[in-house]
Amino acid sequence: NAGVTQTPKFRVLKTGQSMTLLCAQDMNHEYMYWYRQDPGMGLRLIHYSVGEGTTAKGEVPDGYNVSRLKKQNFLLGLESAAPSQTSVYFCASSPSGRDPKNIQYFGAGTRLSVL
Amino acid sequence: AQSVAQPEDQVNVAEGNPLTVKCTYSVSGNPYLFWYVQYPNRGLQFLLKYITGDNLVKGSYGFEAEFNKSQTSFHLKKPSALVSDSALYFCAVRPYNTDKLIFGTGTRLQVFP
Repeated sequence: NAGVTQTPKFRVLKTGQSMTLLCAQDMNHEYMYWYRQDPGMGLRLIHYSVGEGTTAKGEVPDGYNVSRLKKQNFLLGLESAAPSQTSVYFCASSPSGRDPKNIQYFGAGTRLSVL
Repeated sequence: AQSVAQPEDQVNVAEGNPLTVKCTYSVSGNPYLFWYVQYPNRGLQFLLKYITGDNLVKGSYGFEAEFNKSQTSFHLKKPSALVSDSALYFCAVRPYNTDKLIFGTGTRLQVFP
């Protein structure tokens, strides 16, 4: 009963390093999302995907790239990490984005520190 | 601009007392409204939602929320708080005919024994 799984759970990077965060869902959901959570700012949408092979920008996309090569996976990449990207990152999935009955299911998060 | 406001950073309540966590929104058209809860070091968990119909919606763990269209509010309530309810609560809105959620900044609920 995995749901949404994020790896890694924790990571420390040096400024300028790159990394990829992996999100996997086993619910056959069409929509997937990447958020960042910062104190006093709630959750802000970075990028999202409405289906395999598609991606779209959210509220704060700069400095991040994403890919959705397989329906069950959504990857978030940082090409050159900056201290401003220190945050907790959450992935979510949903059967459909526009059906009001559907909700988003969240992973446990990845805590990233950029020194 | 479309937005969600949670005016209280923290709410403190004694166990057994009623609790209210406030949320107001500003969107065009009829909104879909949600409450999520986040326990320490965990992801967000869905509590309840308002889509249409009865203004009072009931959700998980004894929580309920009241939709008030005239006041553009969707306050979360529980008649009798438990220590285990202590967590971070997020209100979110999905504007009609969109596929994204807009989250509030969160309210930390602390229930004291």
